[in-house]
Amino acid sequence: ILNVEQSPQSLHVQEGDSTNFTCSFPSSNFYALHWYRWETAKSPEALFVMTLNGDEKKKGRISATLNTKEGYSYLYIKGSQPEDSATYLCAFPNYGGSQGNLIFGKGTKLSVKP
Amino acid sequence: DGGITQSPKYLFRKEGQNVTLSCEQNLNHDAMYWYRQDPGQGLRLIYYSQIVNDFQKGDIAEGYSVSREKKESFPLTVTSAQKNPTAFYLCASGTGHEQFFGPGTRLTVL
Repeated sequence: ILNVEQSPQSLHVQEGDSTNFTCSFPSSNFYALHWYRWETAKSPEALFVMTLNGDEKKKGRISATLNTKEGYSYLYIKGSQPEDSATYLCAFPNYGGSQGNLIFGKGTKLSVKP
Repeated sequence: DGGITQSPKYLFRKEGQNVTLSCEQNLNHDAMYWYRQDPGQGLRLIYYSQIVNDFQKGDIAEGYSVSREKKESFPLTVTSAQKNPTAFYLCASGTGHEQFFGPGTRLTVL
């Protein structure tokens, strides 16, 4: 059974702090790794799709790195703002990436205090 | 506006009743999915459909049923056989391995 682990489960930071969290996934048969941002009362929003070992993607103050050989991805937020408060989910395609399911981690819930 | 809509946003059900959650998409995606979220858990797959008139069970299909008569629509019925239906339900549609989500329906059994 494929397993996707995220840590920490929750994180409380002050505005302006930089933070990062981890997604661990099976390193064999890697196809892609997804990061989503899920704000309360909204739909999960796709942040990044990462496919290449060593990949680094950036969107504003948020960036992500990927290590497929050891099976982890880091999400970084530089200078956290209250609007960054959300649950960050990572997901790993099942069935070797064919059109099908995503296996989701439980998420990291980030709270940013003004 | 392209997107995925789910209705209703909140739903209350009495024990023993079947209820149907609506999911519609106008993104022209072949694949559609239903997930359930419980507190402290990741999203778990209930059913998915890769093409009209075809669907597959996910990890937790017991007590649920779906239909896919149109490309745009993938309704989920929560039957009385589902022992613990109170949860947040998310619908998604996608292409390849990318998925896009609706806003969700919160179902509460009274």
